[in-house]
Amino acid sequence: GAGVSQSPRYKVAKRGQDVALRCDPISGHVSLFWYQQALGQGPEFLTYFQNEAQLDKSGLPSDRFFAERPEGSVSTLKIQRTQQEDSAVYLCASRRYQGPSDTQYFGPGTRLTVL
Amino acid sequence: AQTVTQSQPEMSVQEAETVTLSCTYDTSESDYYLFWYKQPPSRQMILVIRQEAYKQQNATENRFSVNFQKAAKSFSLKISDSQLGDAAMYFCAYGETSGSRLTFGEGTQLTVNP
Repeated sequence: GAGVSQSPRYKVAKRGQDVALRCDPISGHVSLFWYQQALGQGPEFLTYFQNEAQLDKSGLPSDRFFAERPEGSVSTLKIQRTQQEDSAVYLCASRRYQGPSDTQYFGPGTRLTVL
Repeated sequence: AQTVTQSQPEMSVQEAETVTLSCTYDTSESDYYLFWYKQPPSRQMILVIRQEAYKQQNATENRFSVNFQKAAKSFSLKISDSQLGDAAMYFCAYGETSGSRLTFGEGTQLTVNP
């Protein structure tokens, strides 16, 4: 694919429901990131994968948030028992190599609304 | 922890004019990376320009250039010959060398007036 894709683009959940957000990175990209962007704010880091290994999950706001990348390609961000404060745009980014100098390419995001 | 501050929530510029967006950051590291990303209403974040802290020369990409002042921890973006397509939210971001994450500022909404 030409770029990072995310699905669904929009998700509405009732409070207490579980949701799963998918990210398809650029083919061959080693690194994958998840960010949370609240309305009117800059993105905030959630977690980082290098291939299938989750190297940094320090940004996950609670144990209701879980991310995986089992085969080192597609990643899923799961949020259990959603709360209203989880409403945000969730951005995925991939990077070709592990080095920080390389560019992170972002997907269009998934807008999650929790009612 | 690193912080990034963009003190201009909104800026406007006339088409074909020049505008400068401000960014300051706080870090105790000597080596790092700085980025400007553009986010149009479609939400797709697009890299505009990148600066390595160890390089004294300011980065330039066509109509976009930066003024990197390491001692002052300042990293401003200059857009020359502004075009209608430049209208977007612009985010300044800090990238650490040892880790992986980007730390973003709050963003500056740029309007380009015809």
